[in-house]
Amino acid sequence: GQSLEQPSEVTAVEGAIVQINCTYQTSGFYGLSWYQQHDGGAPTFLSYNALDGLEETGRFSSFLSRSDSYGYLLLQELQMKDSASYFCAVRSSYNQGGKLIFGQGTELSVKP
Amino acid sequence: DAGVTQSPTHLIKTRGQHVTLRCSPISGHKSVSWYQQVLGQGPQFIFQYYEKEERGRGNFPDRFSARQFPNYSSELNVNALLLGDSALYLCASSRYLEDRDRNTIYFGEGSWLTVV
Repeated sequence: GQSLEQPSEVTAVEGAIVQINCTYQTSGFYGLSWYQQHDGGAPTFLSYNALDGLEETGRFSSFLSRSDSYGYLLLQELQMKDSASYFCAVRSSYNQGGKLIFGQGTELSVKP
Repeated sequence: DAGVTQSPTHLIKTRGQHVTLRCSPISGHKSVSWYQQVLGQGPQFIFQYYEKEERGRGNFPDRFSARQFPNYSSELNVNALLLGDSALYLCASSRYLEDRDRNTIYFGEGSWLTVV
């Protein structure tokens, strides 16, 4: 089967750094994406890795190791507004660009 | 530019009824995907449409169907509603061009469906 595993919840304090891990098992792999979702809102795109290594976008960075079927999202200088659910997602089919397989999500709570 | 728009935002239906959810993609986006998100879980892929053709189907029963119109908007239909169909239904659009865009899909705010 196809599955993604990520921690169900993480708690951190304002200004800190937090890492959310994701391991995946899929029949095909064409990239790992990360999405943020606030309560009652739409998932919004954060980052994407197709190749091994680190991608940096402002306070957010994402890492991928295809040999380990593993990736992580790193959030730096945490702010209260970063409290949300974070999902990793894999595209496992080359010609189905809109089909993503999502993890269960990690609920991040940022404390003052 | 307007984002992905969905309607209705909230609706309540009775078991056995039928529902139609609507989605307008971002201008210039030709691909529309539908996802179901149950509370506390990640979105689950239902369908993808591109240029009015079905390009992918998830593991959902035949009660679920969809279509895409010439203006690239889309409808998701669910027949014979069950209590378990209660969820947030998300529509997403993408350009469906190069590889990066195939992973950058943009979601609408969703339609909250409650089946009683």
